[in-house]
Amino acid sequence: QSALTQPPSASGSPGQSVTISCTGTSSDVGSYNYVSWYQQYPGKAPKLMIYDVSKRPSGVPDRFSGSKSGNTASLTVSGLQAEDEAHYYCSSYAGSNNVVFGGGTKLTVL
Amino acid sequence: QVQLQESGPGLVKPSQTLSLTCTVSGGSISSATYYWSWIRQPAGKGLEWIGHIYTSGSTNYNPSLKSRVTISVDTSKNQFSLKLSSVTAADTAVYYCARAGAAFPYCSSTTCWGEGKNKWFDPWGQGTLVTVSS
Repeated sequence: QSALTQPPSASGSPGQSVTISCTGTSSDVGSYNYVSWYQQYPGKAPKLMIYDVSKRPSGVPDRFSGSKSGNTASLTVSGLQAEDEAHYYCSSYAGSNNVVFGGGTKLTVL
Repeated sequence: QVQLQESGPGLVKPSQTLSLTCTVSGGSISSATYYWSWIRQPAGKGLEWIGHIYTSGSTNYNPSLKSRVTISVDTSKNQFSLKLSSVTAADTAVYYCARAGAAFPYCSSTTCWGEGKNKWFDPWGQGTLVTVSS
């Protein structure tokens, strides 16, 4: 199994919206609605931000939203805030009891 | 709420076996709809799923690590463990344990069976750095 493809970096100004893509294949992202997104600050453990493509856990701001089209999932952060600057990782069920992560995207708030 | 905590040696010699334990508190490791997972992250790099175990002892591993990985569970202690054999410098990483929500095709009131599809990881332990060096 190969890692999901994410852009290494993304950026936006406070108040703007940014979308991070996560491209897989028809064997993972394209086949299952089990895409999740994680936020990670330096030196900290990842935190679940989105699951089942577009669902938000309790406590996650509604500025974070997820979607999927074909083999590509996306995370959109609206109304960017300084605290959103972090690494973001996507993950997908990949069939046959396998799980795959994306390489991660560093989001910078300008 | 459920919390996870990794423990184990921070330094392992090349060719030896890395051993870590994850202690679960605030919830039961025997809960029906979860897998208990290990994930690692080399410095400055992305996340890699190592594998997971169900309360019954059923395991699944990343194909790229399968020949070297063993995950076990001790329900009496609410713990699960990772063993990674024949380690090299490439295995140096922060190792996380995490609870994984899963969708099973069949569930009773106390257990599930069939191919469980891993849906998400939450919560995560704080992570523990393991360095492979002589």
